[in-house]
Amino acid sequence: KAGVTQTPRYLIKTRGQQVTLSCSPISGHRSVSWYQQTPGQGLQFLFEYFSETQRNKGNFPGRFSGRQFSNSRSEMNVSTLELGDSALYLCASSALAGSTGELFFGEGSRLTVL
Amino acid sequence: DQQVKQNSPSLSVQEGRISILNCDYTNSMFDYFLWYKKYPAEGPTFLISISSIKDKNEDGRFTVFLNKSAKHLSLHIVPSQPGDSAVYFCAASEGITDKLIFGTGTRLQVFP
Repeated sequence: KAGVTQTPRYLIKTRGQQVTLSCSPISGHRSVSWYQQTPGQGLQFLFEYFSETQRNKGNFPGRFSGRQFSNSRSEMNVSTLELGDSALYLCASSALAGSTGELFFGEGSRLTVL
Repeated sequence: DQQVKQNSPSLSVQEGRISILNCDYTNSMFDYFLWYKKYPAEGPTFLISISSIKDKNEDGRFTVFLNKSAKHLSLHIVPSQPGDSAVYFCAASEGITDKLIFGTGTRLQVFP
């Protein structure tokens, strides 16, 4: 069974640009969540989607947005990039919304903003 | 406001000995707690969890203890092995949700 797949794995952008990250969950998983990992802050929750609906949103500015498609694949977008957006963005999937909190994480997309 | 805190950024333990990783939380509404392990260049992987109705949960070499009155949980690894060297994250949630609040992690190094 393939794991959670995130693309691209690495990308470099400049301030002011926008970026779209993609996540394909484990086959059969309908819940997708996104986290931002930075050295000083650990993992911080961004969004949670289930059946194309956003169930929860973290404390991030409106520049951070996301969506989920009918095949459970998800994308997140960050507009007007800032230097502080440099981070590892992790996608996780689970079989059911809020199953047990046991999330299956992808390897992440490492974003560098110059 | 860090609701889940791991105050030790690193821990070094000899192979075969016990590793104890600690985690404190401030939100009394948290009722589910988890530990994740992360190797470099990989995503975190689930290790063990505990519900607030329990005070202990074991899975092989891993045991998690929960002290609700102190808002404290700990992960015990016995015996520690070099393959356990990784960053360990404590996480908590309110109710059944995929919205987890993570600590900042503790880097465990197990040396021979």
